[in-house]
Amino acid sequence: GQQVMQIPQYQHVQEGEDFTTYCNSSTTLSNIQWYKQRPGGHPVFLIQLVKSGEVKKQKRLTFQFGEAKKNSSLHITATQTTDVGTYFCAGYRNNDMRFGAGTRLTVKP
Amino acid sequence: NAGVTQTPKFQVLKTGQSMTLQCAQDMNHEYMSWYRQDPGMGLRLIHYSVGAGITDQGEVPNGYNVSRSTTEDFPLRLLSAAPSQTSVYFCASSSGLLDEQYFGPGTRLTVT
Repeated sequence: GQQVMQIPQYQHVQEGEDFTTYCNSSTTLSNIQWYKQRPGGHPVFLIQLVKSGEVKKQKRLTFQFGEAKKNSSLHITATQTTDVGTYFCAGYRNNDMRFGAGTRLTVKP
Repeated sequence: NAGVTQTPKFQVLKTGQSMTLQCAQDMNHEYMSWYRQDPGMGLRLIHYSVGAGITDQGEVPNGYNVSRSTTEDFPLRLLSAAPSQTSVYFCASSSGLLDEQYFGPGTRLTVT
């Protein structure tokens, strides 16, 4: 079945540093979604990517979907303490959506 | 709009007990799903429904039952609780299979 791998599992940065999490699928995806979960909270939708090579930006967040639609990345520029949480990707293919294990980001002020 | 609501927030069960986790949404979404979240494993789909009267299995359905008699409600039943079902359970809804999912606040379940 479909597998979605996400790295790194943990990332600790100093406030102001950049952060990137990567998502890789064993199969070509129809689309990919990104979610953020604050500690003790529930996942909250950030964005969806559908097209090959698509790049979307939300303020300091940049999301990319690979040309082969098998990988994706989320990059945060100049992290802030409000960015702490776990970032999940979720890949969709053939009525099957699989979440990555998530990257837990901590930010030191 | 309340969005997606879940009850209870916390539950402790003994092995072999049964219970129902409640989920409701007021956004008139057709698609609803149940996930479990375990440390280091992300969210795994248990069951989902594409509309009232229609349910299907996800990645980890064993030990769980669902039904969808109305658009609003999607309860998850644990038939005979096992320690392996200790987890945080999230219900989610969306207007379609490929659309943004709205998650409830979760139920933290411990089975002893």
